Amino acid sequence: QVQLQESGPGLLRPSETLSLTCTVSGGFINSHYWSWIRQSPGKGLEWIGHIYYSGSTTFNPSLKRRGTISVDVSNNQVSLRLTSVTAADTAVYYCARVRRSPVLSYYYGVDVWGQGTTVIVSS
Amino acid sequence: DIVMTQSPLSLPVTPGEPASISCRSNQSLLRSNSHNYLDWYLQKPGQSPYLLVYLGSNRASGVPDRYTGSGSGTDFVLKISRVEAEDVGVYYCMQALQTPFSFGQGTKLEIK
Repeated sequence: QVQLQESGPGLLRPSETLSLTCTVSGGFINSHYWSWIRQSPGKGLEWIGHIYYSGSTTFNPSLKRRGTISVDVSNNQVSLRLTSVTAADTAVYYCARVRRSPVLSYYYGVDVWGQGTTVIVSS
Repeated sequence: DIVMTQSPLSLPVTPGEPASISCRSNQSLLRSNSHNYLDWYLQKPGQSPYLLVYLGSNRASGVPDRYTGSGSGTDFVLKISRVEAEDVGVYYCMQALQTPFSFGQGTKLEIK
């Protein structure tokens, strides 16, 4: 059974760079898409972006080009980097698997989620 | 971007009674392959969200058959035939037709 585990610093100061890693276990990263989704305190879910194992990425324009997502197939890891963080980036960050193909020949939803990691941005 | 709107935002339900959540999008989620790219997720208190229904009406593995997703185009519904105590949490719809994927505001189901 595929499991996802997010890791990274829990506390950042404004203007710093957020770096999170998602380690995939129980399966291989070289299929499907891998997403980052966040949830601000007391609020709903926001899709950050996703990456295909080949390296093709899509990012939410609302994050104004502050972010990048990368994949390390050899270590079964997906990473998120978000620059110039502010208090508005305080959230629980989830790594998740999107079971779909690049041309949508199949789609089975966001079917595996990590437990989430809390990131607080505060001076 | 596609905007998703759910209603109601709060849903108190008596155990054993049915429940229904509506989700609307401001653009059709129906693709040329005849699939609606609309999912439903449940986030139980203190937990990560998990998948209930994908492509509008397909229950995910292990999801009880009291959950039914329906709808097409811009209007979708998630129905719970008989609510149980374990169904409490926040239900989200999400469109996966185009990036950025987007979620509804969430519907909080609570037991009366």
